[in-house]
Parts: sequence; C-alpha cells; structure tokens
Amino acid sequence: KNEVEQSPQNLTAQEGEFITINCSYSVGISALHWLQQHPGGGIVSLFMLSSGKKKHGRLIATINIQEKHSSLHITASHPRDSAVYICAVSTASKLTFGTGTRLQVTL
Amino acid sequence: DTAVSQTPKYLVTQMGNDKSIKCEQNLGHDTMYWYKQDSKKFLKIMFSYNNKELIINETVPNRFSPKSPDKAHLNLHINSLELGDSAVYFCASSQDLYFGSGEQYFGPGTRLTVT
Repeated sequence: KNEVEQSPQNLTAQEGEFITINCSYSVGISALHWLQQHPGGGIVSLFMLSSGKKKHGRLIATINIQEKHSSLHITASHPRDSAVYICAVSTASKLTFGTGTRLQVTL
Repeated sequence: DTAVSQTPKYLVTQMGNDKSIKCEQNLGHDTMYWYKQDSKKFLKIMFSYNNKELIINETVPNRFSPKSPDKAHLNLHINSLELGDSAVYFCASSQDLYFGSGEQYFGPGTRLTVT
C-alpha cells in the first residue's frame, strides 16, 4: 500500500460541475502539496497546506491532520481544468507522491 | 523570464553513455530538487539540496549524482545510462523553512530516452 492514496484515479465531469479529489496518507506529515500537471507535461504547484483550508480562485484545498486526509475542490469546472492532479506529502526528509487523479472536463 | 529552466528539453542517447541535465532557477530559492517521472506518470523524488544538506532518496542508483556549482544551479549527472533510466526528469526549487515546506516551482522537464 502506498503511503499516499488518491481517489478517484480517473474522473470525467461536465463543465460547471463541482469536483472533489481526495488524498489520504498514512504517515505524520509536515506539509501536503497539491500539484497540477497539464496535458503538455508542465507541473504547477496549486497549494501547500499544513492545516486548515486554502482558496485560490475556483480551487479550494482542505486538510484534516487528525484524519490524515486532504481534499481538492474545483468549483464551476471548465475544460481548461482538464489535467492530472497530484497530491504529495512531506515528512522530515522525504517527499512522497500519490499516483495522481486524471480529470477530464467536457463541454 | 523563466523561473526554473532545464536543458536540454529532449535527450536521446545510447546505453552506457554519460550525460548531464542542467537546471537553473532565478527565484533566489535556497532548495532545489530533482524528480523522476516514469512511463506511468508516477513522480518520485531523487534528490533535494540546499546550501547545507544533500538529501538522497535511498532508491536512487549511485550512477546518478547532483552537482551544484552555486545556489542557483543544480545539475544532474548520470553515468553508464541504462534503458530503465528513460523517463522525464523535473527540476524544482522552493524556499523551505524545513524540508518540503515551501511551494515548489517546477522546470519544464527533460525527456530522456536511452536506446
């Protein structure tokens, strides 16, 4: 079992839908990252969280340290949100990635 | 003005060769990373390096070595290339208070193909 599990692995949504991607981890962490990898391959950092909730535009990320769980929400999804979303957790000297969630938003 | 740049973007080489990938960041960050993304798109950290400390993922073969001539550069040297080294390699930088605590800025990636 991976230390970082994401669900779902694949997600198809229609434009305008509210989307949730989940990340569960099994170790104590110092920070959790959400990354977006575009179809062209580039990787962008969306959020870095150690507690609570962060919002940036239509994206919201939450983390529950006690439950070892984080969610990434996308409101009013758009085809340009189509990408792979990757969760990563950092401990004292290790950064571990989830396998990613492939999101496809259709018109 | 590119924040994190990598060269080359594509690298095709034969087994047994030695190659380097260069990475430069102009963000003034103190920590740089190398990642490998395999054919299944799974990202794995290889190294992280700041002025004081090199942290190596224990699964990385010692044919791979990071070299940092200064704070803005972290190059990746690979000796005796093998077919299994074919992957996309990403460089990243961040300003970390502690390991992994900073927002990471990624380079565009280098696609290495070993034939």
